[in-house]
Amino acid sequence: EVQLVESGGGLVQPGGSLRLSCAASGFIFSDHYMDWVRQAPGKGLEWVGRSRNKAKSYTTEYAASVKGRFTFSRDESENSLYLQMNSLKTEDTAVYYCARAVVMDGHYYFDYWGQGTLVTVSS
Amino acid sequence: DIQMTQSPSSLSASVGDRVTITCRASQGISNYLSWFQQKPGKAPKSLIYAASNLQSGVPSRFSGSGSGTDFTLTITNLQPEDFATYYCQQYENYPRTFGGGTKVEIK
Repeated sequence: EVQLVESGGGLVQPGGSLRLSCAASGFIFSDHYMDWVRQAPGKGLEWVGRSRNKAKSYTTEYAASVKGRFTFSRDESENSLYLQMNSLKTEDTAVYYCARAVVMDGHYYFDYWGQGTLVTVSS
Repeated sequence: DIQMTQSPSSLSASVGDRVTITCRASQGISNYLSWFQQKPGKAPKSLIYAASNLQSGVPSRFSGSGSGTDFTLTITNLQPEDFATYYCQQYENYPRTFGGGTKVEIK
């Protein structure tokens, strides 16, 4: 059974840092693209970025709103995806989800989502 | 960036109704479109990919259609568990973008 479990959320001051984790199980983690998506309180879904698979050297894509502040990484031994968030702003307050992406016709779509972890940026 | 516009933003329906939600892309995205369902306080759930393909385990009362810029999600014989917010998302280009959501409420 595919499972994605996020952790690491919490309260942080503006300008601070936080690292989120997404623990994966039930599939070969290194074979899959993984994305982060966030949702501000009462708002819609916003794509944060992508970590490609090992075959693609875990290269990344970032949304313009987080580029230069957020960094994705992976630990194969832990089957985990990480989101390092620096220089946090109040507008980064959201529930952060990791999602697995699978391929058809060379394009990657989401199939499984984690339960999310809440990040609150406030003084 | 590709803008995704959903309509309506909300609707009221009764159990047993047929519901249609539309999603329009600001430029052609072929059939690279997904639909998701989200209930309050829960993570999104993947329903449909490639515009019309049901994810494993999704009931057949859900269906999707469209290509290019115009897409629809249809729920036939609406069930109590279907009251939720629905989002479309394009995966043709970066950045991936979502529609604003359609909240399906009980009439």
